[in-house]
Amino acid sequence: QQPVQSPQAVILREGEDAVINCSSSKALYSVHWYRQKHGEAPVFLMILLKGGEQKGHEKISASFNEKKQQSSLYLTASQLSYSGTYFCGTINNAGNMLTFGGGTRLMVKP
Amino acid sequence: KAGVTQTPRYLIKTRGQQVTLSCSPISGHRSVSWYQQTPGQGLQFLFEYFSETQRNKGNFPGRFSGRQFSNSRSEMNVSTLELGDSALYLCASSLESRVIQFFGPGTRLTVL
Repeated sequence: QQPVQSPQAVILREGEDAVINCSSSKALYSVHWYRQKHGEAPVFLMILLKGGEQKGHEKISASFNEKKQQSSLYLTASQLSYSGTYFCGTINNAGNMLTFGGGTRLMVKP
Repeated sequence: KAGVTQTPRYLIKTRGQQVTLSCSPISGHRSVSWYQQTPGQGLQFLFEYFSETQRNKGNFPGRFSGRQFSNSRSEMNVSTLELGDSALYLCASSLESRVIQFFGPGTRLTVL
């Protein structure tokens, strides 16, 4: 069963912040975040393993709440280059298959 | 290291035909996964191969099949193509399961 992402789309002005959420009904082993620009392949951003850790990459960070089976991606002080579709992928405790959510389309305007 | 490569990049076929897509993983990666991406359905998992064995399979009909060779290169085949098979087919490679996957550029298949 695929994870659920919200919101489905968001429009920001440069410098604004955004949060993208990803939730699953299954106990998760890991959460993977990717960004895909139009016409390109998804690019890996970060992976979070069960344990509730928070990871960061420049102005993009993420958290993983193992108890709630939820992850959130935080984009701070957004830049034009952040535009694209963000996907979360999850691997549950019982398996090793990466299942993706429906994606969140992010548009950053000047 | 060179990234994941997929060939061909673009393909046009007609209904009823069959097609074979190829994926060369990053050197040293033994796991190759295939995904179908369409505007309405997002990224759907097709199957995963590891050391020439299919380890996982998604919910796709038997017309979709794949294989992996001893050098980890993988192919997927779709027989009796339908209009709904038009999509971007992505492959991703990883060292093992449950770790970071790196995607190739994809093959854009159009079925007329």
